[in-house]
Amino acid sequence: GENVEQHPSTLSVQEGDSAVIKCTYSDSASNYFPWYKQELGKRPQLIIDIRSNVGEKKDQRIAVTLNKTAKHFSLHITETQPEDSAVYFCAAGNTGNQFYFGTGTSLTVIP
Amino acid sequence: DAGITQSPRHKVTETGTPVTLRCHQTENHRYMYWYRQDPGHGLRLIHYSYGVKDTDKGEVSDGYSVSRSKTEDFLLTLESATSSQTSVYFCAISDYSNYGYTFGSGTRLTVV
Repeated sequence: GENVEQHPSTLSVQEGDSAVIKCTYSDSASNYFPWYKQELGKRPQLIIDIRSNVGEKKDQRIAVTLNKTAKHFSLHITETQPEDSAVYFCAAGNTGNQFYFGTGTSLTVIP
Repeated sequence: DAGITQSPRHKVTETGTPVTLRCHQTENHRYMYWYRQDPGHGLRLIHYSYGVKDTDKGEVSDGYSVSRSKTEDFLLTLESATSSQTSVYFCAISDYSNYGYTFGSGTRLTVV
């Protein structure tokens, strides 16, 4: 099956700086890559996703890039704010309807 | 809210007892999933369903069974609970394959 690795496991940045979280996947058949944000004690929520036919996608302060050849994708958050503090999960999936998640990155934005 | 509810929200049970968790959706989505979340492991798929009475195993299905007799309900049963099944369980729904999930609020299960 698919194996998704996520780095770093913890990340601290100063407010206003950028944060980057990286994921790699193993199954070349994976074609959909969502990112989820989970605040403490709450449910994971989809924040952005990208499909394998697209190299980059942006939504305001967040962006995701995908390199199919290298099998890695990244989440970029610019101008970080304290409310960006949360755990972020990447995932990879294919037509089998199973998503495999990374182990999560705990992001802390220091005011 | 998100159109998906889980019950109960919290449960403490004894080792060896059967436990059933319920996921109910009002979105009429075809796909439903059960995940467990543990520190250091992220979210791992237990079972999923792609229609009424159509289910399949995920990566950590041992000790769990599921049933889906109606589009809106997906039940997860721990046949004989063990301490290793202490976890937070999330249900998720999606309308099409490869679309992002909507997660429920989770059930925190403690097996003592």
